[in-house]
Amino acid sequence: AIRMTQSPSSFSASTGDRVTITCRASQGISSYLAWYQQKPGKAPKLLIYAASTLQSGVPSRFSGSGSGTDFTLTISCLQSEDFATYYCQQYYSYPPGFGQGTKVEIK
Amino acid sequence: QVQLQESGPGLVKPSQTLSLTCTVSGGSISSGSYYWSWIRQPAGKGLEWIGRIYTSGSTNYNPSLKSRVTISVDTSKNQFSLKLSSVTAADTAVYYCARDNASDEYFDYWGQGTLVTVSS
Repeated sequence: AIRMTQSPSSFSASTGDRVTITCRASQGISSYLAWYQQKPGKAPKLLIYAASTLQSGVPSRFSGSGSGTDFTLTISCLQSEDFATYYCQQYYSYPPGFGQGTKVEIK
Repeated sequence: QVQLQESGPGLVKPSQTLSLTCTVSGGSISSGSYYWSWIRQPAGKGLEWIGRIYTSGSTNYNPSLKSRVTISVDTSKNQFSLKLSSVTAADTAVYYCARDNASDEYFDYWGQGTLVTVSS
């Protein structure tokens, strides 16, 4: 199975900051990568698929980039509602697998 | 707007079978090219894909769980179900049902999740 590794595991940031989360695949996955946001007690919410395509209704401050093994999720101007845990997920090969998550906390 | 809702017992005894059902509303489970998946998340941990089913009955399972998992579909009720046998405390988790595009297995609609605790 392909292993997905996110970094950092957690960090603190302030409203208005530009933040970047990294996801690395253990082997090349082309652009078959999705990003999710999860808030406590809630189901994950799809933000981005195909590495850089914004899901309908997701604010444009979210963006994704990368291909092959290295990917990033960027939030251009962090809002209060963005404090959450973020997961990447590969769907290049079975089984689809998730990173361990990156928790974005309030500084 | 598609909605998914998990239901089933919140407590299962060790060695028994965990059974959950996901009811889909806001659209037919048979329409479109979608698979219907189960995903779980132990408390404070990450997400694990369990398996999925197409309305034809075709299934795919995570190899790590394949020997214990059965996913079925009832199109007349717009539902799909999960059975996980021989459960242990390690199977305690929030279980989610979700929809994925048949050609790209990312998950665009999720249920709210249901906590299943394995304990005697």
